[in-house]
Amino acid sequence: AQSVTQPDIHITVSEGASLELRCNYSYGATPYLFWYVQSPGQGLQLLLKYFSGDTLVQGIKGFEAEFKRSQSSFNLRKPSVHWSDAAEYFCAVGAIASWGKLQFGAGTQVVVTP
Amino acid sequence: GAVVSQHPSWVICKSGTSVKIECRSLDFQATTMFWYRQFPKQSLMLMATSNEGSKATYEQGVEKDKFLINHASLTLSTLTVTSAHPEDSSFYICSARDKDRVRTGELFFGEGSRLTVL
Repeated sequence: AQSVTQPDIHITVSEGASLELRCNYSYGATPYLFWYVQSPGQGLQLLLKYFSGDTLVQGIKGFEAEFKRSQSSFNLRKPSVHWSDAAEYFCAVGAIASWGKLQFGAGTQVVVTP
Repeated sequence: GAVVSQHPSWVICKSGTSVKIECRSLDFQATTMFWYRQFPKQSLMLMATSNEGSKATYEQGVEKDKFLINHASLTLSTLTVTSAHPEDSSFYICSARDKDRVRTGELFFGEGSRLTVL
């Protein structure tokens, strides 16, 4: 069965510091991986996705993620966070045969301090 | 990017009444839409897949008679929570897949609808 684990429920980071959010997955086939961001009371915005090819994926808002098959991980990073990055971040996994049926992780709440 | 709009964004209703939530793709056509439910401080759980012109496919454990889904056009899917009870209170989010960009794998999410049942 497929699953997505985000080990960190809550992360506090200072503005200007680097950020890394962890995501581990368990999947029987080739996974298609996504990172979404959700602001309070809002829907989800896609930050980036990995389907194939280069394992380092660039996304919007200065985010990047690296797919490591050997570690079953797809960690999200940003070199320097801005106060506007405070939000909930979700990692998700899906399959090409069932586009849209995503399995989401529990989410990581990011708090940015001055 | 493509826009998905949900209406209403929030609704309060009395126990026993039915509530309809609309999900519209504003600038693209969606043969498939998905309905998710999100409990406070929890992740999104897929409820059902809405297919234009056919019956919805429900995930295990989701009551199809409680959560009626209709996808009558390529731009509109509706979720009706029938005989709502307080335990149905939740944040409901829809997503849509652009029929002309299926291979991109990208989903477009609505802004969500918060349902509170008194």
